[in-house]
This record gives sequence, structure tokens and C-alpha cells, in this order.
Amino acid sequence: DSGVTQTPKHLITATGQRVTLRCSPRSGDLSVYWYQQSLDQGLQFLIQYYNGEERAKGNILERFSAQQFPDLHSELNLSSLELGDSALYFCASSVSGTSTDTQYFGPGTRLTVL
Amino acid sequence: QKEVEQDPGPLSVPEGAIVSLNCTYSNSAFQYFMWYRQYSRKGPELLMYTYSSGNKEDGRFTAQVDKSSKYISLFIRDSQPSDSATYLCATNSNYQLIWGAGTKLIIKP
Repeated sequence: DSGVTQTPKHLITATGQRVTLRCSPRSGDLSVYWYQQSLDQGLQFLIQYYNGEERAKGNILERFSAQQFPDLHSELNLSSLELGDSALYFCASSVSGTSTDTQYFGPGTRLTVL
Repeated sequence: QKEVEQDPGPLSVPEGAIVSLNCTYSNSAFQYFMWYRQYSRKGPELLMYTYSSGNKEDGRFTAQVDKSSKYISLFIRDSQPSDSATYLCATNSNYQLIWGAGTKLIIKP
């Protein structure tokens, strides 16, 4: 168990809908990362927050947004969902958010868009 | 060209074999290299990391970096069925990790 929690485990929704994925980092970790993993794309970095502020942005679509709250938990919002958004979404956390930090991954949220 | 290339496999070997997993990278400025292991339906977990060139050993696992050829390797000795997983290499750039596609490894009993 990495200490990172993600809810929900599974999510099934329809095209055009909006969903929110939630992540709680390990105790003491200030940085949170979001990743998307699909069969044909591998692990894609979406966005990173450090202590409430956005630190780095990857291949995140404009339909997606995220934030990190004062208690350090983070939410990833996905809107106007498309079939291609079906994937595993992972949250990871690290102590200081530098690129040499070990990232600890949560169990993921499996999103299915029908 | 992707910044980190990794053959997705699958790679299937018999139990007890030595396994070699490899990645190539394009940017000679990359200095920090990691191997993550991901079991089916789980999040990746850090297995090993190396800085710059050379070897690093941890039990049955050895990570190797050859900066002259921009090649990174993970060797697994005495492979076990419990080593069956996807192995992802990664390197760092700014605040991000750049990931390989992952190689699915199957160890047959």
C-alpha cells in the first residue's frame, strides 16, 4: 500500500458528462501528479501541483482541469467526456515535487465512457 | 521520435532465466533514470533509480546506464513468476518524468 488513496475505484458514465476524480496524497507529501494510462498511449503525464500551486503541465486537454486544496488533496475534473477518455487515471504524490523525487502511485480510477 | 523508447513486448521467459529490459533515450542532458514496476490493475511502484552512468545493484536487480549510447537496462537474475509485471523506464526533465511505454514481462513457471 503506497499510502495514496484515490476514489472512486471505478466510474462508468456516458459521453458528454462530467466527472470528478479525487486523490489524497501520502502523509507529508506536498506534491500531487495526475496521469492517464490507456492501452495504446501508455502512461501520460497530465499535471502536477505543489502545495496548492500548479507546477507543471503535460498533455492535459482543455476539457480537463485539476486543483489541489489547502488540505493537499487533489481533484481532477473531466468534462464533455468522449469515448477516448476511457482509461485508468492515476494520482501520485511526492515529498517536494522535484523530478528526482520518488513518486508514489495510488491504485487508480478506472473510467469507462459509454 | 519519442524522448524515451521502450519495446512494449510482451517478453516471455522461463523461470530462473536472466531477463534484460531496455530503453533508449534521445536527450543527452537526461541524468536521472528510474525503473518502475506495475502489476496488473495496480499503480506503478519505484523499483530502482540510477544517476548518470554506471551500474546499481539491489538483490536480483541491476540497473545500468550507458550514456555514450543513451541506453538504459534493467537486469533481473533468477527470475520468478512473481516478477511478471510491466516494467516502465523513466527519466526526468524539469519537473516532469518522461516515461517509456513499458515492457510487459511474463515469467513462465
